Amino acid sequence: ELKVEQNPLFLSMQEGKNYTIYCNYSTTSDRLYWYRQDPGKSLESLFVLLSNGAVKQEGRLMASLDTKARLSTLHITAAVHDLSATYFCAVVPHLPSNFGNEKLTFGTGTRLTIIP
Amino acid sequence: DSGVTQTPKHLITATGQRVTLRCSPRSGDLSVYWYQQSLDQGLQFLIQYYNGEERAKGNILERFSAQQFPDLHSELNLSSLELGDSALYFCASSFRGSANTGELFFGEGSRLTVL
Repeated sequence: ELKVEQNPLFLSMQEGKNYTIYCNYSTTSDRLYWYRQDPGKSLESLFVLLSNGAVKQEGRLMASLDTKARLSTLHITAAVHDLSATYFCAVVPHLPSNFGNEKLTFGTGTRLTIIP
Repeated sequence: DSGVTQTPKHLITATGQRVTLRCSPRSGDLSVYWYQQSLDQGLQFLIQYYNGEERAKGNILERFSAQQFPDLHSELNLSSLELGDSALYFCASSFRGSANTGELFFGEGSRLTVL
């Protein structure tokens, strides 16, 4: 059974600081996704990482994927209050045929709070 | 706006009752997924339909059932409701063909409260 672990679960950081959220998964996968969720709201897609070594950046967020280590990171640069949210990584296990099957297994989420 | 529409947004009902949650996927998307989000269980995959057929099943209780109709909208039926079924239920859609990246697009969710 695919397990996806994130750490830390909770993170309080000051504005202007840098930090990294880690996502480890237990089985072979070549597709990893990062989502953001504000309290009580929907999940917003942030990044789609489809190959080993993939790196994507959007504003102050940068995500990377190492499929050999089964690890993805979400790096936050010079945090601002608007980044306060819960961040989820999600993984699709590598199967011989994933046609039409994108069942995502989500991590536990990292609740990020940016303190002024 | 993801393009995925869910109704109702909020629902309050009593134990033992039955409710139906509805989802319209993004235009052109063939797959619909249902997820349950609760404080203690996180985001749990329930079931997936692809072009009208059940494709994958997760931790869905026998009291719950779903279907996807020819127009690709989907319904999740929850029956004999218990207090523990109170949660946020998300629908997501994906898959527009060969360019598909597997990215799921989520609706705003239906918040179910069972009293």
